[in-house]
Amino acid sequence: EIVMTQSPATLSVSPGERATLSCRASQRVSSNLVWYQQKPGQAPRLLIYGVSTRATNIPARFSGSGSGTEFTLTISSLQSEDFAVYYCQQYNNWPPGGWTFGQGTKVEIK
Amino acid sequence: EVQLVQSGAEVKKPGESLKISCKGSGYTFTSYWIGWVRQMPGKGLEWMGIIYPGDSDTRNSPSFQGQVTISADKSISTAYLQWSSLKASDTAMYYCARLYAWGTYRAFDYWGQGTLVTVSS
Repeated sequence: EIVMTQSPATLSVSPGERATLSCRASQRVSSNLVWYQQKPGQAPRLLIYGVSTRATNIPARFSGSGSGTEFTLTISSLQSEDFAVYYCQQYNNWPPGGWTFGQGTKVEIK
Repeated sequence: EVQLVQSGAEVKKPGESLKISCKGSGYTFTSYWIGWVRQMPGKGLEWMGIIYPGDSDTRNSPSFQGQVTISADKSISTAYLQWSSLKASDTAMYYCARLYAWGTYRAFDYWGQGTLVTVSS
């Protein structure tokens, strides 16, 4: 099973600042990497797929990068609505199998 | 509008059986995989498995193999997650989600609202 490790566990950021979240895979996952956002009491929301493609209606302040085993989600200027938990997920197998999520990074107000 | 509507919260005793549902609408249900994701209280997301309602092709995470059954009834655009004997450790929120697949891209683009399952004696 591919283990996804996110860091840091919690990131304290002031509104308007930049946030950089990391996700590391225990083995290469090519570009098969997705990011989700989850707010308290809500279902996850798709942010980015294929490492760097923003999903529909996702603001341009969200960007993804990386390849192989190291990936990054960057929020260029944090807005109040961006404080949430962010998860990465790999889908390296097709047909589906053994897909895994990272443990999440909580972005909180500093 | 694409929607996934899940069945309501459940409170069960250990050893009981349970089947929760996820009804899709606003799209061709048989053309998209539906996945299930567990979220234990205060914890992260765990991929449980996935089904293609068009032919009921089902793939389970090794972590959940033999613990749950995933099925679908395409005639009513509904996917299911089922337990034959619940344990207290099954207490969690369960989400269904539609898999968007385009080229080599895959992502869960629409999610149900979640079904809270509480197992307690």
